[in-house]
Amino acid sequence: DQQVKQNSPSLSVQEGRISILNCDYTNSMFDYFLWYKKYPAEGPTFLISISSIKDKNEDGRFTVFLNKSAKHLSLHIVPSQPGDSAVYFCAAPSIQGAQKLVFGQGTRLTINP
Amino acid sequence: DADVTQTPRNRITKTGKRIMLECSQTKGHDRMYWYRQDPGLGLRLIYYSFDVKDINKGEISDGYSVSRQAQAKFSLSLESAIPNQTALYFCATSESRNSPLHFGNGTRLTVT
Repeated sequence: DQQVKQNSPSLSVQEGRISILNCDYTNSMFDYFLWYKKYPAEGPTFLISISSIKDKNEDGRFTVFLNKSAKHLSLHIVPSQPGDSAVYFCAAPSIQGAQKLVFGQGTRLTINP
Repeated sequence: DADVTQTPRNRITKTGKRIMLECSQTKGHDRMYWYRQDPGLGLRLIYYSFDVKDINKGEISDGYSVSRQAQAKFSLSLESAIPNQTALYFCATSESRNSPLHFGNGTRLTVT
């Protein structure tokens, strides 16, 4: 049962434009969400998070939006830069048992010059 | 030096062999995790430990075992490797439930 889903395996965006990465979740009890970025041959690194009491969190070029009624979150990158090319994972702490992160499948973002 | 160090970085082994992947951390975190990454499946949790005396199975623990030798060390073993355990393995640490995970650079394991 995939509790956190990223339905787009890949996304290609022109440099300078907006990149929008999407994530859906099934459990309305999730109260916190995180985005991670992964370059080849490296481990994922934390990018930005959002609590369910907010609908938006911004950090520089990165903004995460949360729509609780739709059980959907999105990561916006503006403007997109070549260094943003990576795989992006959304994640949420599982509420079952001792809390641990469940991850989406990942979206590979390619920024074209 | 990396905060979370995994060894080896790459390993090729044969079916039926026992193999151990090691992880050490200098972040002082109590919580440590082993994840596996497969294409199209994201990161899936194998085992996790919230302190030295606490070991818990994740969603895909079959065929794996772990040992938490110290707060800073958490190793993953495959007792008898099989080809479908070919994957990228990540160790991670965290400070608390809603704290971000800090990942090592991964071990690429190939079982032939």
